Amino acid sequence: EAQVTQNPRYLITVTGKKLTVTCSQNMNHEYMSWYRQDPGLGLRQIYYSMNVEVTDKGDVPEGYKVSRKEKRNFPLILESPSPNQTSLYFCASSQRQAQGYTFGSGTRLTVV
Amino acid sequence: DAKTTQPTSMDCAEGRAANLPCNHSTISGNEYVYWYRQIHSQGPQYIIHGLKNNETNEMASLIITEDRKSSTLILPHATLRDTAVYYCIVGSGGSNYKLTFGKGTLLTVNP
Repeated sequence: EAQVTQNPRYLITVTGKKLTVTCSQNMNHEYMSWYRQDPGLGLRQIYYSMNVEVTDKGDVPEGYKVSRKEKRNFPLILESPSPNQTSLYFCASSQRQAQGYTFGSGTRLTVV
Repeated sequence: DAKTTQPTSMDCAEGRAANLPCNHSTISGNEYVYWYRQIHSQGPQYIIHGLKNNETNEMASLIITEDRKSSTLILPHATLRDTAVYYCIVGSGGSNYKLTFGKGTLLTVNP
């Protein structure tokens, strides 16, 4: 089944403890992207990647890192999480100029 | 990026067509119009996209005006499971890799 898989689905962590949210797609898509969703603010793009080793900042990149070493994987790294990064995170992938993004099921992160 | 304007909420009776409008008056010539929906806190689901011509797929139809300043998403026979927030988005710079989501329209399908 074609899908975008995020792990974990739920995560509670403490301030400052580095964490990684994984994202993997099995559709050979070139484009991948991370979004966060907060009440009243909607979905905001964090980072995106147009292909392996090609990444760029979205609208809210502060406090996040990404890497794209393989086409299928696009992990989101929080080096030193803070409570304002408590959010619902979505990973998505897309083929260029094609069907639009396929989104993962989301990761609900709580930083205490 | 072109901005979009959508009504905050709409209601529709089950079995009837749901017509969701979107204004994108500043759209440029190479920008696509995309529609997504999000049911509760699930990941957004791609519905349809178009550039100039009307489009139809198994989920919906997209009608884009000739001047491309507005569009309408049509769900031909709405069901209770179509209750969701619907987002109209204009793709950045003709590429679809950067999509800016607005607040969307909450469509409530009533029995």
